[in-house]
Amino acid sequence: GIQVEQSPPDLILQEGANSTLRCNFSDSVNNLQWFHQNPWGQLINLFYIPSGTKQNGRLSATTVATERYSLLYISSSQTTDSGVYFCAVLTGNTGKLIFGQGTTLQVKP
Amino acid sequence: GAVVSQHPSWVICKSGTSVKIECRSLDFQATTMFWYRQFPKQSLMLMATSNEGSKATYEQGVEKDKFLINHASLTLSTLTVTSAHPEDSSFYICSAEGGGRWNEQFFGPGTRLTVL
Repeated sequence: GIQVEQSPPDLILQEGANSTLRCNFSDSVNNLQWFHQNPWGQLINLFYIPSGTKQNGRLSATTVATERYSLLYISSSQTTDSGVYFCAVLTGNTGKLIFGQGTTLQVKP
Repeated sequence: GAVVSQHPSWVICKSGTSVKIECRSLDFQATTMFWYRQFPKQSLMLMATSNEGSKATYEQGVEKDKFLINHASLTLSTLTVTSAHPEDSSFYICSAEGGGRWNEQFFGPGTRLTVL
Protein backbone atom coordinates (compact mmCIF):
# COMPACT_ATOMS: atom_id res chain seq x y z
CA GLY A 1 0.00 0.00 0.00
CA ILE A 2 0.88 3.66 -0.19
CA GLN A 3 3.43 5.01 2.29
CA VAL A 4 3.10 8.46 3.82
CA GLU A 5 6.12 9.95 5.53
CA GLN A 6 6.22 13.20 7.42
CA SER A 7 9.23 15.19 8.50
CA PRO A 8 10.50 16.30 10.85
CA PRO A 9 8.92 14.10 13.54
CA ASP A 10 9.40 16.79 16.16
CA LEU A 11 9.92 20.52 15.95
CA ILE A 12 10.48 23.14 18.64
CA LEU A 13 10.14 26.79 17.69
CA GLN A 14 10.33 30.11 19.39
CA GLU A 15 7.19 32.19 19.05
CA GLY A 16 7.34 34.27 15.89
CA ALA A 17 9.49 31.83 13.92
CA ASN A 18 8.54 30.26 10.61
CA SER A 19 8.55 26.56 9.77
CA THR A 20 8.01 24.12 6.94
CA LEU A 21 6.56 20.65 7.42
CA ARG A 22 6.90 18.05 4.70
CA CYS A 23 4.76 15.11 3.62
CA ASN A 24 6.05 12.57 1.09
CA PHE A 25 3.87 9.88 -0.41
CA SER A 26 4.88 6.86 -2.42
CA ASP A 27 2.13 6.73 -5.06
CA SER A 28 -0.28 8.99 -6.88
CA VAL A 29 -3.15 10.31 -4.79
CA ASN A 30 -6.66 11.61 -5.40
CA ASN A 31 -6.73 13.83 -2.38
CA LEU A 32 -4.50 15.17 0.37
CA GLN A 33 -5.58 16.82 3.58
CA TRP A 34 -3.60 18.55 6.31
CA PHE A 35 -4.89 18.46 9.88
CA HIS A 36 -3.89 19.99 13.19
CA GLN A 37 -4.59 17.85 16.24
CA ASN A 38 -4.85 20.12 19.25
CA PRO A 39 -3.82 19.06 22.78
CA TRP A 40 -7.39 17.88 23.48
CA GLY A 41 -7.30 15.50 20.53
CA GLN A 42 -9.55 17.32 18.10
CA LEU A 43 -8.46 17.15 14.48
CA ILE A 44 -8.98 20.45 12.72
CA ASN A 45 -9.09 20.58 8.94
CA LEU A 46 -6.41 22.91 7.65
CA PHE A 47 -6.26 22.25 3.92
CA TYR A 48 -7.84 20.09 1.30
CA ILE A 49 -5.12 20.23 -1.31
CA PRO A 50 -4.69 17.45 -3.89
CA SER A 51 -2.56 19.84 -5.93
CA GLY A 52 -1.50 23.46 -6.12
CA THR A 53 -1.07 26.09 -3.44
CA LYS A 54 -3.52 27.49 -0.91
CA GLN A 55 -3.23 30.02 1.85
CA ASN A 56 -5.26 30.61 4.97
CA GLY A 57 -3.94 33.36 7.19
CA ARG A 58 -0.51 32.45 8.54
CA LEU A 59 -0.73 28.98 7.06
CA SER A 60 -0.18 27.93 3.50
CA ALA A 61 0.24 24.60 1.76
CA THR A 62 1.61 23.40 -1.52
CA THR A 63 1.16 19.98 -3.08
CA VAL A 64 3.26 18.90 -6.05
CA ALA A 65 1.39 15.77 -7.03
CA THR A 66 3.76 14.82 -9.86
CA GLU A 67 6.67 14.75 -7.40
CA ARG A 68 4.61 13.18 -4.61
CA TYR A 69 5.06 15.65 -1.82
CA SER A 70 3.23 18.37 0.04
CA LEU A 71 4.52 21.18 2.23
CA LEU A 72 2.80 23.04 5.05
CA TYR A 73 4.17 26.47 5.90
CA ILE A 74 3.55 28.11 9.23
CA SER A 75 4.61 31.72 9.50
CA SER A 76 4.94 33.86 12.63
CA SER A 77 4.18 30.86 14.81
CA GLN A 78 2.13 31.27 17.98
CA THR A 79 1.89 29.09 21.08
CA THR A 80 -1.60 28.07 19.96
CA ASP A 81 -0.03 26.43 16.89
CA SER A 82 1.40 23.74 19.16
CA GLY A 83 0.13 20.22 18.60
CA VAL A 84 0.50 17.48 16.04
CA TYR A 85 0.21 18.12 12.33
CA PHE A 86 -0.92 15.22 10.15
CA CYS A 87 -1.09 14.86 6.44
CA ALA A 88 -3.39 12.20 5.05
CA VAL A 89 -3.81 10.98 1.51
CA LEU A 90 -6.59 9.24 -0.34
CA THR A 91 -6.02 6.82 -3.17
CA GLY A 92 -8.45 4.90 -5.34
CA ASN A 93 -12.19 5.02 -4.72
CA THR A 94 -12.37 3.60 -1.20
CA GLY A 95 -12.56 6.96 0.53
CA LYS A 96 -9.98 5.78 3.05
CA LEU A 97 -7.46 8.31 4.29
CA ILE A 98 -3.95 7.06 4.94
CA PHE A 99 -2.26 9.11 7.65
CA GLY A 100 1.37 9.96 8.09
CA GLN A 101 2.96 9.64 11.51
CA GLY A 102 2.65 13.34 12.18
CA THR A 103 4.93 16.21 13.15
CA THR A 104 4.75 17.30 16.77
CA LEU A 105 5.20 21.05 17.00
CA GLN A 106 5.94 22.91 20.20
CA VAL A 107 5.98 26.69 20.07
CA LYS A 108 7.62 28.31 23.07
CA PRO A 109 6.73 31.82 24.27
CA GLY B 1 -20.41 24.14 8.69
CA ALA B 2 -19.29 20.49 8.55
CA VAL B 3 -19.42 19.82 12.28
CA VAL B 4 -19.12 16.32 13.69
CA SER B 5 -19.89 15.52 17.30
CA GLN B 6 -19.06 12.52 19.45
CA HIS B 7 -20.58 11.37 22.68
CA PRO B 8 -19.36 10.69 25.27
CA SER B 9 -16.08 12.59 25.23
CA TRP B 10 -14.65 10.26 27.83
CA VAL B 11 -15.77 7.09 29.55
CA ILE B 12 -14.39 4.84 32.26
CA CYS B 13 -15.83 1.35 32.55
CA LYS B 14 -15.14 -1.96 34.22
CA SER B 15 -13.69 -4.87 32.34
CA GLY B 16 -16.38 -6.99 30.73
CA THR B 17 -18.88 -4.22 30.15
CA SER B 18 -19.93 -2.79 26.79
CA VAL B 19 -19.57 0.83 25.80
CA LYS B 20 -21.41 2.67 23.02
CA ILE B 21 -19.94 5.73 21.31
CA GLU B 22 -22.09 7.96 19.10
CA CYS B 23 -20.90 9.97 16.13
CA ARG B 24 -23.18 12.57 14.59
CA SER B 25 -22.86 14.90 11.64
CA LEU B 26 -24.65 18.00 12.88
CA ASP B 27 -25.14 20.13 9.79
CA PHE B 28 -24.80 17.77 6.86
CA GLN B 29 -25.76 14.29 5.74
CA ALA B 30 -22.78 11.99 5.84
CA THR B 31 -22.51 9.63 2.92
CA THR B 32 -19.83 7.67 4.72
CA MET B 33 -18.49 7.62 8.27
CA PHE B 34 -15.19 6.24 9.47
CA TRP B 35 -13.95 5.03 12.84
CA TYR B 36 -10.33 5.42 13.90
CA ARG B 37 -8.32 4.42 16.90
CA GLN B 38 -5.33 6.34 18.20
CA PHE B 39 -2.81 5.22 20.80
CA PRO B 40 -0.74 7.78 22.73
CA LYS B 41 1.80 9.57 20.55
CA GLN B 42 0.81 7.56 17.50
CA SER B 43 -1.05 8.24 14.32
CA LEU B 44 -4.65 7.43 13.54
CA MET B 45 -5.44 3.87 12.57
CA LEU B 46 -8.57 3.23 10.52
CA MET B 47 -10.78 0.59 12.08
CA ALA B 48 -13.81 0.50 9.79
CA THR B 49 -15.81 2.29 7.13
CA SER B 50 -19.52 2.73 7.69
CA ASN B 51 -22.26 3.47 5.15
CA GLU B 52 -25.86 4.16 6.07
CA GLY B 53 -28.05 1.09 5.85
CA SER B 54 -25.29 -1.37 5.08
CA LYS B 55 -22.79 -3.44 7.00
CA ALA B 56 -19.55 -1.80 7.99
CA THR B 57 -16.32 -2.75 6.27
CA TYR B 58 -13.61 -3.57 8.78
CA GLU B 59 -9.88 -3.20 8.28
CA GLN B 60 -7.68 -6.24 8.52
CA GLY B 61 -7.04 -7.25 12.10
CA VAL B 62 -10.07 -5.45 13.56
CA GLU B 63 -12.50 -7.82 15.26
CA LYS B 64 -15.99 -7.05 14.01
CA ASP B 65 -17.60 -8.94 16.90
CA LYS B 66 -15.62 -6.83 19.35
CA PHE B 67 -16.27 -3.49 17.67
CA LEU B 68 -19.88 -3.35 16.51
CA ILE B 69 -20.75 -0.55 14.15
CA ASN B 70 -24.28 0.57 13.34
CA HIS B 71 -25.04 3.30 10.82
CA ALA B 72 -28.76 3.81 11.23
CA SER B 73 -29.14 7.16 9.49
CA LEU B 74 -27.26 9.64 7.35
CA THR B 75 -26.31 11.61 10.46
CA LEU B 76 -25.58 8.93 13.06
CA SER B 77 -23.11 6.09 13.40
CA THR B 78 -22.41 4.20 16.61
CA LEU B 79 -19.43 2.12 17.73
CA THR B 80 -20.02 -0.39 20.51
CA VAL B 81 -17.00 -1.89 22.21
CA THR B 82 -18.30 -5.20 23.51
CA SER B 83 -16.93 -6.95 26.59
CA ALA B 84 -14.28 -4.29 26.95
CA HIS B 85 -10.87 -5.17 28.36
CA PRO B 86 -7.98 -2.94 29.46
CA GLU B 87 -6.25 -3.40 26.10
CA ASP B 88 -9.26 -1.71 24.44
CA SER B 89 -8.42 1.50 26.28
CA SER B 90 -7.67 4.08 23.64
CA PHE B 91 -8.80 7.29 21.94
CA TYR B 92 -11.55 6.60 19.42
CA ILE B 93 -12.25 9.16 16.72
CA CYS B 94 -14.94 9.21 14.07
CA SER B 95 -15.06 11.15 10.85
CA ALA B 96 -17.69 11.85 8.23
CA GLU B 97 -17.61 12.84 4.61
CA GLY B 98 -20.31 14.61 2.65
CA GLY B 99 -20.01 18.01 4.26
CA GLY B 100 -17.46 19.48 1.94
CA ARG B 101 -15.52 18.64 -1.17
CA TRP B 102 -15.25 15.21 -2.73
CA ASN B 103 -14.02 12.69 -0.13
CA GLU B 104 -13.16 15.45 2.35
CA GLN B 105 -13.42 14.11 5.88
CA PHE B 106 -14.37 16.04 9.01
CA PHE B 107 -13.51 14.67 12.41
CA GLY B 108 -15.30 14.42 15.71
CA PRO B 109 -13.57 15.48 18.94
CA GLY B 110 -12.85 11.91 19.96
CA THR B 111 -13.79 9.66 22.87
CA ARG B 112 -11.25 8.58 25.44
CA LEU B 113 -12.06 5.10 26.71
CA THR B 114 -10.44 3.73 29.86
CA VAL B 115 -11.21 0.15 30.83
CA LEU B 116 -10.33 -0.77 34.42
